[in-house]
Amino acid sequence: AQSVTQPDIHITVSEGASLELRCNYSYGATPYLFWYVQSPGQGLQLLLKYFSGDTLVQGIKGFEAEFKRSQSSFNLRKPSVHWSDAAEYFCAVSGGSNYKLTFGKGTLLTVNP
Amino acid sequence: GAVVSQHPSWVICKSGTSVKIECRSLDFQATTMFWYRQFPKQSLMLMATSNEGSKATYEQGVEKDKFLINHASLTLSTLTVTSAHPEDSSFYICSAGPLGGGNYEQYFGPGTRLTVT
Repeated sequence: AQSVTQPDIHITVSEGASLELRCNYSYGATPYLFWYVQSPGQGLQLLLKYFSGDTLVQGIKGFEAEFKRSQSSFNLRKPSVHWSDAAEYFCAVSGGSNYKLTFGKGTLLTVNP
Repeated sequence: GAVVSQHPSWVICKSGTSVKIECRSLDFQATTMFWYRQFPKQSLMLMATSNEGSKATYEQGVEKDKFLINHASLTLSTLTVTSAHPEDSSFYICSAGPLGGGNYEQYFGPGTRLTVT
């Protein structure tokens, strides 16, 4: 069975600081990996995705993530955080015949001015 | 492209009544749609996989008779919460996809907030 672990429940950073959100997955075959962001009371927005190829993927809003197969990780990074980045971030893995998505528990990002 | 809508965006119903939530793919055909539930400050949990023209596949612990799913066309799936109770109050999100051809992404609707009083 596939699973996703986001070790950090809550992270606080200062505006302008760099950010890294951790994500580890478990899946027996080649995973399809995603990062989503959710603001309070809102739906999900896709930040970036990895299917194959270059292991460093660029997303929207200046985010990037690196797929490391040896570490089963897909960490999300941003060099300089903006106050508007405060939200909940979910990592997800997809696979199987129906490509079911399994989500991590999420990391809540707080940005201090 | 690849837009998914949900209706209604929010609904309040009384305990014991039934509520239907619609999920539509607006600009593509979706043979597979998914229904998720999200409780406050929690992650999304997959409830069921809906395949056009066949019965839905429910995740372990999800009551089939309580959460009725119908996927009668390639652009519409519905979730009916029957005999709703306050504990069914939640944020329900649907998704559709993947589109195939190397695209493994699911496209999410904006969600429906259900409050049962």
